[in-house]
Amino acid sequence: GENVEQHPSTLSVQEGDSAVIKCTYSDSASNYFPWYKQELGKRPQLIIDIRSNVGEKKDQRIAVTLNKTAKHFSLHITETQPEDSAVYFCAASIRTSYDKVIFGPGTSLSVIP
Amino acid sequence: KAGVTQTPRYLIKTRGQQVTLSCSPISGHRSVSWYQQTPGQGLQFLFEYFSETQRNKGNFPGRFSGRQFSNSRSEMNVSTLELGDSALYLCASRTGDLLNTEAFFGQGTRLTVV
Repeated sequence: GENVEQHPSTLSVQEGDSAVIKCTYSDSASNYFPWYKQELGKRPQLIIDIRSNVGEKKDQRIAVTLNKTAKHFSLHITETQPEDSAVYFCAASIRTSYDKVIFGPGTSLSVIP
Repeated sequence: KAGVTQTPRYLIKTRGQQVTLSCSPISGHRSVSWYQQTPGQGLQFLFEYFSETQRNKGNFPGRFSGRQFSNSRSEMNVSTLELGDSALYLCASRTGDLLNTEAFFGQGTRLTVV
């Protein structure tokens, strides 16, 4: 079925440490994998995305890796800062009779100063 | 450029009633998608409209419907409200393809059904 799993559901790290969030998807045809950050009381915002023809993508302290064979992708945040505290959602595209972007359940990241 | 605007921000309705939510996309964006966000289920895709036509849909019952106007503004309607419909409803606009372009979200409408 259509499913995106995300782990862990909560994550606490010390400021300056790295944080890693992992997602797995079920549809082998998925080819677009965005990550959204939602701060408390605010709207989700895209922070990085990756397409299936790319294995890794970086943007300053944020990187995403994709393993299409294993059907999983990960978000890596290095040198975490308190403002990185938020809920992070991964997502995967699904193309069936209808197109969808299926979101993972989210990871609540807390960066402790 | 103005962002995605949703109205109203908050709503309280009674079971059995119906409700209409509104979303104005970013100027030039023709795709509008709707999502239901709850603590237990996360972000769930409802449907997407593009050029006044429903282009894609999720797995919600027929009580959830929508439409899009010629200016790309979209409305979502929920009929015969149930307690479980209480959620934050987010809309997002895109420049094009649902599967390959960034979603710009609105602030959401928080619906409480009592």
